[in-house]
Amino acid sequence: GAVVSQHPSWVICKSGTSVKIECRSLDFQATTMFWYRQFPKQSLMLMATSNEGSKATYEQGVEKDKFLINHASLTLSTLTVTSAHPEDSSFYICSARGSSGTSGSSYEQYFGPGTRLTVT
Amino acid sequence: GQNIDQPTEMTATEGAIVQINCTYQTSGFNGLFWYQQHAGEAPTFLSYNVLDGLEEKGRFSSFLSRSKGYSYLLLKELQMKDSASYLCAVRDRRALTFGSGTRLQVQP
Repeated sequence: GAVVSQHPSWVICKSGTSVKIECRSLDFQATTMFWYRQFPKQSLMLMATSNEGSKATYEQGVEKDKFLINHASLTLSTLTVTSAHPEDSSFYICSARGSSGTSGSSYEQYFGPGTRLTVT
Repeated sequence: GQNIDQPTEMTATEGAIVQINCTYQTSGFNGLFWYQQHAGEAPTFLSYNVLDGLEEKGRFSSFLSRSKGYSYLLLKELQMKDSASYLCAVRDRRALTFGSGTRLQVQP
């Protein structure tokens, strides 16, 4: 099946610094990638949707200047948390969806393993 | 917008059957998904329904009624490893929106 990887799997950073998280689709072309955030014992909250080569669409309440998303290729999207604060500590999960005709099905979203961010 | 409701917690016995319900309201329905998520891990895909009816996959089955905005996930022959959170997610034209998840505890 389709595989999505994330790097790093966990990161600890100091307050005020920026952190970049990479999301890669390993064996299919991801026309659309999604970034979710999950706080302890809560469900996944969609942060933004990005299509390759275009600007990301952010959900209401998500600061686009704080969470920078770049989807530069069909296999790579990055999320940069700028000027991170302790309240940004969370589990960040990316998800990718292919298009018809690619090895990833067009209806299913494939999830990466997640990145646990801790801001001290 | 979307509104997805599912029970917060359920408890069942090993070997039994459990049904986890999900109701939803959405604009632009494009499929309903069930995912399993163990603590600290990413969700794993269980099932997908876009038409009314029952989809069976081994010990797991999922049902959808679009007119009622209702789905359920049925787990048979429960095993201890089935203890996890089960997430109902609805897809509109853009993305998946997740419910709050149902934490299932399987007891011996």
